[in-house]
Amino acid sequence: QLVVTQSPSASASLGASVKLTCTLSSGHSSYAIAWHQQQPEKGPRYLMKVNSDGSHSKGDGIPDRFSGSSSGAERYLTISSLQSEDEADYYCQAWDTGIRVFGPGTKVTVL
Amino acid sequence: EVQLVESGGGLVQPGRSLRLSCTTSEFTFGDYAMTWVRQAPGKGLEWVGFIRSKSYGGTTDYAASVKGRFSISRDDSKSVAYLQMNSLKTEDTAVYYCARETGGAVDSWGQGTLVTVSS
Repeated sequence: QLVVTQSPSASASLGASVKLTCTLSSGHSSYAIAWHQQQPEKGPRYLMKVNSDGSHSKGDGIPDRFSGSSSGAERYLTISSLQSEDEADYYCQAWDTGIRVFGPGTKVTVL
Repeated sequence: EVQLVESGGGLVQPGRSLRLSCTTSEFTFGDYAMTWVRQAPGKGLEWVGFIRSKSYGGTTDYAASVKGRFSISRDDSKSVAYLQMNSLKTEDTAVYYCARETGGAVDSWGQGTLVTVSS
């Protein structure tokens, strides 16, 4: 059964970097995932797709500060040079035949 | 720029029905699968279901929580996707988003429409 897990929260100082983790369930370590950002009181926004080899493709207009990578069953989203507007919930999304799943989200706080 | 606009939300009594629409523009609608995702107040994102493009049979799949009550359809001539919600329950109260998929990944989102199920 495809499941993705995320840490509930992360924080870093303004201008610093933060790395978020999305972990795929056993047997799904070769799967790609997508990252989405949801700022307070707004709808979600697609950030990027991250493949198992670490390659990633970003959505239109996503700043270079956002990057993706992979290691085993873990998919990462790194935000560099944190800005106040990066304070948001970040969701990973995975998919298989006939099913799509979202992780519980990671709340990022900019200190 | 890809546009997706949901409509049709509102207040509905438990047990009643509601149909949401997702009107799209600025991309070739018929080439894409379309997904519905919901978010209950204060909660995370929950996948509801999706419809494949006609090239992949136009078939649908649903989350267990809505299977048998909700159905998704599409009108490629109008570039619109629909979510028909029957036998609504209070726990269906949420903001409903439509989204475009590419290869399984959601890559564009609508702004959402609020559905409140209450007597």
